[in-house]
Amino acid sequence: AQKITQTQPGMFVQEKEAVTLDCTYDTSDQSYGLFWYKQPSSGEMIFLIYQGSYDEQNATEGRYSLNFQKARKSANLVISASQLGDSAMYFCAMRDPWGYNKLIFGAGTRLAVHP
Amino acid sequence: DAGVTQSPTHLIKTRGQQVTLRCSPKSGHDTVSWYQQALGQGPQFIFQYYEEEERQRGNFPDRFSGHQFPNYSSELNVNALLLGDSALYLCASSPGLAGGLAGELFFGEGSRLTVL
Repeated sequence: AQKITQTQPGMFVQEKEAVTLDCTYDTSDQSYGLFWYKQPSSGEMIFLIYQGSYDEQNATEGRYSLNFQKARKSANLVISASQLGDSAMYFCAMRDPWGYNKLIFGAGTRLAVHP
Repeated sequence: DAGVTQSPTHLIKTRGQQVTLRCSPKSGHDTVSWYQQALGQGPQFIFQYYEEEERQRGNFPDRFSGHQFPNYSSELNVNALLLGDSALYLCASSPGLAGGLAGELFFGEGSRLTVL
C-alpha cells in the first residue's frame, strides 16, 4: 500500500531565506505522481507542484521546487525566498496509480515564516 | 472563473443526526472527489463521482454516501453522525477521472462539521 511520511510537524524560517520540507513515500508501483499542497488557515488546499515518477528533471514552479530522489523515495519541497504569506500547512501527497484522482496525503508540516 | 465552491462553510450537528454537504466543481470540471480531514491530520479520500456514478471509494462506512447531479455538482451525506465525524470535509474537482495535465485537483475551502 502507498504511504506518505512527513517527519517535521513544524518548521520555521526567517523571511527571505530558503526552507526544505521533507517527504518520503512508499510504493511498489513504478508509475506514480507526487504532489505538494499548501493549506492556509482558510482550509483550501492549494496545488503547488507536481512530479511524475518518470520525469527526468526536478519540477519547479516559481519559488517552489521539488527535490526528487527516486532511489531514496523522497520528494522534498524547497521554498526559496520565503515570504510571510508562506506561513501555512504543507502536505505531500501521492496519487494512487489505480485510483485516478485518489490522493494519499501525509500528516503535513506547519511552516511559520518569521519577519 | 469560479473555483470549487462548498456549502455550508460551518455547521454543528448532534450525534445521530444526518448532514448534507454540497459542492459545485470548477467550471469545465466533471469529476468530484470528497475528502475528510480530521484536526491535525492530512485529508483522507472518501469517494469520487464521475458521470453521476461513484467510481472509487475509500475506507469509509456506508453511512457516508454521495450523489452527483447532471450539472456535475455533488452532495455528501453522512447518516447517524458520530463524534468522530467532526472534521473538515473537502471537495475537489478535476477535468475527467485522471485530472488535468499534472493530475492536480482543485479543492474548495471545505465544510467544517462539528458533531456534539
